[in-house]
Amino acid sequence: DTGVSQDPRHKITKRGQNVTFRCDPISEHNRLYWYRQTLGQGPEFLTYFQNEAQLEKSRLLSDRFSAERPKGSFSTLEIQRTEQGDSAMYLCASSPQRAGNTIYFGEGSWLTVV
Amino acid sequence: AQSVTQLGSHVSVSEGALVLLRCNYSSSVPPYLFWYVQYPNQGLQLLLKYTSAATLVKGINGFEAEFKKSETSFHLTKPSAHMSDAAEYFCAVSGASGNTPLVFGKGTRLSVIA
Repeated sequence: DTGVSQDPRHKITKRGQNVTFRCDPISEHNRLYWYRQTLGQGPEFLTYFQNEAQLEKSRLLSDRFSAERPKGSFSTLEIQRTEQGDSAMYLCASSPQRAGNTIYFGEGSWLTVV
Repeated sequence: AQSVTQLGSHVSVSEGALVLLRCNYSSSVPPYLFWYVQYPNQGLQLLLKYTSAATLVKGINGFEAEFKKSETSFHLTKPSAHMSDAAEYFCAVSGASGNTPLVFGKGTRLSVIA
């Protein structure tokens, strides 16, 4: 399978705990995106990388959220001190750099904070 | 800045009937426009995209969309609905420079009645 891979697919955590999600993009894609989606809503942009550089962060990305892409390949999204409002699906996507290229999404990582 | 508005959070059609899902966009730069489909508990799959070539764009599964600059619209259509078309559909926009991430609408849930 050469698509975008996310792990874990489901995570249940207690409020206040830290969680980390991993994303492996399509290998030749140098752009990697994180989105958040809550029930009944469209995906909301969080941040994106071009290679290892984090080029843009949304205001939605509070200081409890941090994303890295250390070697320009896989990426991690960490949420510290989780809150119930963090419950959502976290979607990773990747694309080539050129404008208009299709962004390919992974299956998503569901987070439930109890 | 870019944004999209999807008119109608839920559309219901009979099997074999025309599907019309509406999307209007706002963009300060020439836009690239996309339609994605999401099945339950899955990521997003690209249906079709407009990147300034032909204004009538054909996609997968018999869907097509027409870019109308004068109306700032990019409505999605399919002549004959199939039960397997039942899903959530998202319209998205990005700037043609390629340096802005996709901005999604809130989505339209399509139900197909036998």
